Amino acid sequence: NAGVMQNPRHLVRRRGQEARLRCSPMKGHSHVYWYRQLPEEGLKFMVYLQKENIIDESGMPKERFSAEFPKEGPSILRIQQVVRGDSAAYFCASSSTGYEQYFGPGTRLTVT
Amino acid sequence: AQSVSQHNHHVILSEAASLELGCNYSYGGTVNLFWYVQYPGQHLQLLLKYFSGDPLVKGIKGFEAEFIKSKFSFNLRKPSVQWSDTAEYFCAVNAQRSNTGKLIFGQGTTLQVKP
Repeated sequence: NAGVMQNPRHLVRRRGQEARLRCSPMKGHSHVYWYRQLPEEGLKFMVYLQKENIIDESGMPKERFSAEFPKEGPSILRIQQVVRGDSAAYFCASSSTGYEQYFGPGTRLTVT
Repeated sequence: AQSVSQHNHHVILSEAASLELGCNYSYGGTVNLFWYVQYPGQHLQLLLKYFSGDPLVKGIKGFEAEFIKSKFSFNLRKPSVQWSDTAEYFCAVNAQRSNTGKLIFGQGTTLQVKP
């Protein structure tokens, strides 16, 4: 059973561009979580999705960030008009129960 | 609001030394507790978890943790560390009555084991 897949692993964007981060959950997992890890900090919850539904987006910045988990295909975290402060590692986790979460390798976003 | 505090940010030990990493959380209700490990260049892996029952939990690679409800603590222990235990360790909690399961993480502890 393949683990949680994330791509790209590294992404470089110039200020003002869009960043799209993809997450394919483990087979059979319908719960997807996104977390962000800023330098020298722990992981911070951003958003929790189930297929086609956003369940909890209490950790998402109000502007420029959006997430989706369509019926078919991976979950996408989208950051519009990136700024230097968006540089971070973005981790996706999936779960079959909503509690025990399995993490992907992360996408390291660098904004120049 | 829930929060998790890991007391040690950076720990350096020699091989065969004993390890204890502190973790305290603040939340008035019932929680699920987790320790994750991130080896250099790898993704987070679940070391162990506590949902209910015996407060002494055994995980992979010889790690264990003890939930002490009165102290709101879930400290990670290993009797004898190895060089391969060099990694970053994260404590995390979620509220049992929450319907989202979102994890609240501590800041992490970097463990460096000298051969």
